[in-house]
Amino acid sequence: QVRLVESGGGLVKAGGSLRLSCAASGFTFSDYYMTWIRQAPGKGLEWLSYISSGDSTTYYADSVRGRFTTSRDNAKNSLYLQMNSLRAEDTAVYYCATFSSSGWCFDYWGQGTLVTVSS
Amino acid sequence: QSALTQPASVSGSPGESITISCTGTSSDIGTYNLVSWYQHHPGKAPKLMIYEGSKRPSGVSNRFSGSKSGNTASLTISGLQAEDEADYYCCSYTGSSTLIFGGGTKLTVL
Repeated sequence: QVRLVESGGGLVKAGGSLRLSCAASGFTFSDYYMTWIRQAPGKGLEWLSYISSGDSTTYYADSVRGRFTTSRDNAKNSLYLQMNSLRAEDTAVYYCATFSSSGWCFDYWGQGTLVTVSS
Repeated sequence: QSALTQPASVSGSPGESITISCTGTSSDIGTYNLVSWYQHHPGKAPKLMIYEGSKRPSGVSNRFSGSKSGNTASLTISGLQAEDEADYYCCSYTGSSTLIFGGGTKLTVL
């Protein structure tokens, strides 16, 4: 079955950087678009980014464009989120998910990893 | 772009039906039938319940249904059960290769 496991979260100071990983299994990773979504404490879900399956084209929400970079390694069945210039408002649980580019929806989700940015 | 608008909370008794609304604009929900709905039990992975406005993924109960009218999408849950108590989020394509979520609705089963 589809399994997505995020890792790399933790405590970081404002202005710092962090790289999240998402290990995928149970499906042909290279065939799927992938996405990152976050949830700040007490807040709703926020879509951040997605990456295509073929040429790894990326799209970003305005809130993270220029600071966050999504990439993938199909040989390792892994998705990454490089987060730079972190701010207190980036504190959240970060989820990776599979993304259906036809239905524009998120089929399967991981359990998330917590990122805390201290000011 | 502002988040889609959902009621903060709804409630219902077991066996009843409830509807959660999700209001956007003519630039997102009003133009594209690409609204999805997610069930989120805190501490667990969110789950896709409805996509393309009204389609159910395999394995999702037919008690869950979706619809759209103008700039507003809706999720209806019939025959409420205790396990339906969760947070529900709508999400829409925005027409510029980006997506936007609603603020979320907490469903309480009385």
